[in-house]
Amino acid sequence: AQSVTQLDSQVPVFEEAPVELRCNYSSSVSVYLFWYVQYPNQGLQLLLKYLSGSTLVKGINGFEAEFNKSQTSFHLRKPSVHISDTAEYFCAVSRFSSGTYKYIFGTGTRLKVLA
Amino acid sequence: DAMVIQNPRYQVTQFGKPVTLSCSQTLNHNVMYWYQQKSSQAPKLLFHYYDKDFNNEADTPDNFQSRRPNTSFCFLDIRSPGLGDAAMYLCATSALTSGRINEQFFGPGTRLTVL
Repeated sequence: AQSVTQLDSQVPVFEEAPVELRCNYSSSVSVYLFWYVQYPNQGLQLLLKYLSGSTLVKGINGFEAEFNKSQTSFHLRKPSVHISDTAEYFCAVSRFSSGTYKYIFGTGTRLKVLA
Repeated sequence: DAMVIQNPRYQVTQFGKPVTLSCSQTLNHNVMYWYQQKSSQAPKLLFHYYDKDFNNEADTPDNFQSRRPNTSFCFLDIRSPGLGDAAMYLCATSALTSGRINEQFFGPGTRLTVL
């Protein structure tokens, strides 16, 4: 069975500092991995995705993630965060079930950027 | 811009009073999903439609129903809301194409309050 673990429920970081949000997955088959951001009272917005190919994936808002098959990880990074990056971040793995692809979400990491 | 629209953004209902949440999309995607997200939790898939084919998650309560009258619209009906059904309800869409995985696009959500 596939699962996603986000070990850090909250990550405080000062503005302009780098940040890494961790995501580990378990899967016995090919994986498709996603990072989404959710601002308060909003839906989820796709930051980036890994489907195949290059293991370093660049997304929107200066975020990037690296797919590491041996460590079963897909950590999200940003070299310099802004106050506006304060939000909830969800890692998800996609699996094919009942005729379509479904997400298994991690429990989320709340990023708090401090001035 | 192509998008996923949810109405209303905020809905208040009384305990036991039926309520309907709506979702529309201009993306012409063939798959539509409904998620329930409680505070500080990951979204939980309730059901999805692949075209007109409905698929219910095993643990979705019978109190939750859905309708998809056409490609663009999908409704979530809660027949007798309980206090535990207060949550954010997210609609998402994706394009299921042969041999290709596509990401899900989320609407802004409807926050349901049950009094």
